[in-house]
Amino acid sequence: ETGVTQTPRHLVMGMTNKKSLKCEQHLGHNAMYWYKQSAKKPLELMFVYSLEERVENNSVPSRFSPECPNSSHLFLHLHTLQPEDSALYLCASSHTPARGTYGYTFGSGTRLTVV
Amino acid sequence: AQSVTQPDIHITVSEGASLELRCNYSYGATPYLFWYVQSPGQGLQLLLKYFSGDTLVQGIKGFEAEFKRSQSSFNLRKPSVHWSDAAEYFCAARAPNAGNMLTFGGGTRLMVKP
Repeated sequence: ETGVTQTPRHLVMGMTNKKSLKCEQHLGHNAMYWYKQSAKKPLELMFVYSLEERVENNSVPSRFSPECPNSSHLFLHLHTLQPEDSALYLCASSHTPARGTYGYTFGSGTRLTVV
Repeated sequence: AQSVTQPDIHITVSEGASLELRCNYSYGATPYLFWYVQSPGQGLQLLLKYFSGDTLVQGIKGFEAEFKRSQSSFNLRKPSVHWSDAAEYFCAARAPNAGNMLTFGGGTRLMVKP
């Protein structure tokens, strides 16, 4: 247990469904991240929430919508996904640089399959 | 542009043999450097990190890494590999004083022969 919990661990959804991925951290971190990991591709940073500010990768399609209600919780809302969106979605958290800690702590990921 | 490169996509070593995984970075200033390991179906676990000081860094699970400024490298090593070390390894970097976003290399998949 890393202190970063992702649910569900596995998700199968149709292209017309709406679902959400959840991430929760109990480490007192104040930045959270969504990464996409596809087969044979590098880790892709999707979104960053740091001190309640959102930073996003402009190449992420609008069918992915993040929400960060507080520093401990992060959601990724999914709608009208495509089969190529099937991947492992990883959540991570960290302190911001001002707090002097620089590494990320990752969750175990949600394996998403779009059918 | 800032980048992290892991030249080897796959590496196979025999159990008990030594291991070296390569990582090169391209940054204007010396970045902060990290190695992560990912077991199948799992998230990434931090093995070790380098910020400054001693260029040989010790990590968990018997791993170490050496920072070489002249070669822009941060290679991961282990003197004797165990079958449980089979996993994917990621090198990552963050520019100092530039936010907290890590750039990851493409990963190296390690296979261990009995």
